[in-house]
Amino acid sequence: DSGVTQTPKHLITATGQRVTLRCSPRSGDLSVYWYQQSLDQGLQFLIHYYNGEERAKGNILERFSAQQFPDLHSELNLSSLELGDSALYFCASSLSRGNTEAFFGQGTRLTVV
Amino acid sequence: AQKITQTQPGMFVQEKEAVTLDCTYDTSDPSYGLFWYKQPSSGEMIFLIYQGSYDQQNATEGRYSLNFQKARKSANLVISASQLGDSAMYFCAMREDPDSGGGADGLTFGKGTHLIIQP
Repeated sequence: DSGVTQTPKHLITATGQRVTLRCSPRSGDLSVYWYQQSLDQGLQFLIHYYNGEERAKGNILERFSAQQFPDLHSELNLSSLELGDSALYFCASSLSRGNTEAFFGQGTRLTVV
Repeated sequence: AQKITQTQPGMFVQEKEAVTLDCTYDTSDPSYGLFWYKQPSSGEMIFLIYQGSYDQQNATEGRYSLNFQKARKSANLVISASQLGDSAMYFCAMREDPDSGGGADGLTFGKGTHLIIQP
């Protein structure tokens, strides 16, 4: 168990809908990263939050947004969903912004139908 | 250009043998970190080992060791005495220093190596 909790584990929704994925980092970790894993794109970095503030964006679509709350949990919001958004979405947490071990949650498998 | 290259899409190895999974990387940043993750068929990403670019010694974690050759920009994962439970996808990843100005912030992953351990 990595200590990073993601909910829900599975999500099936229709095109055009909006969903929210939730992540609770390991106790004491201030950094939360979101990643998308799809068959065609592989694992891609989406966005990074550190202690409540957005630090960096990767290949995140404008239809997607995230936030990190005062208790350090984070949510990834995906809207106007398309079939191509079907993927495994991971969050990872680490202690700091620097290069330290990063631990992943079990992921949320999103299927858009 | 790819920043992380894993040249072995798949590998078959006999149980109890040692395994080396190849990873080469590309960066001009002097400060970076290298990571290996295991992804079994259940889908979770399991952290295995980390090597910082300034670390003098190769990282080791139990049966896992990282053969870090900085001049060759390679960071191969070595699994000693392989077990059936080692069958999984293995990903090499790199993170450049976010404070160095120009480095990517999140992890950049390779395409992975599918390792199958045979009894």
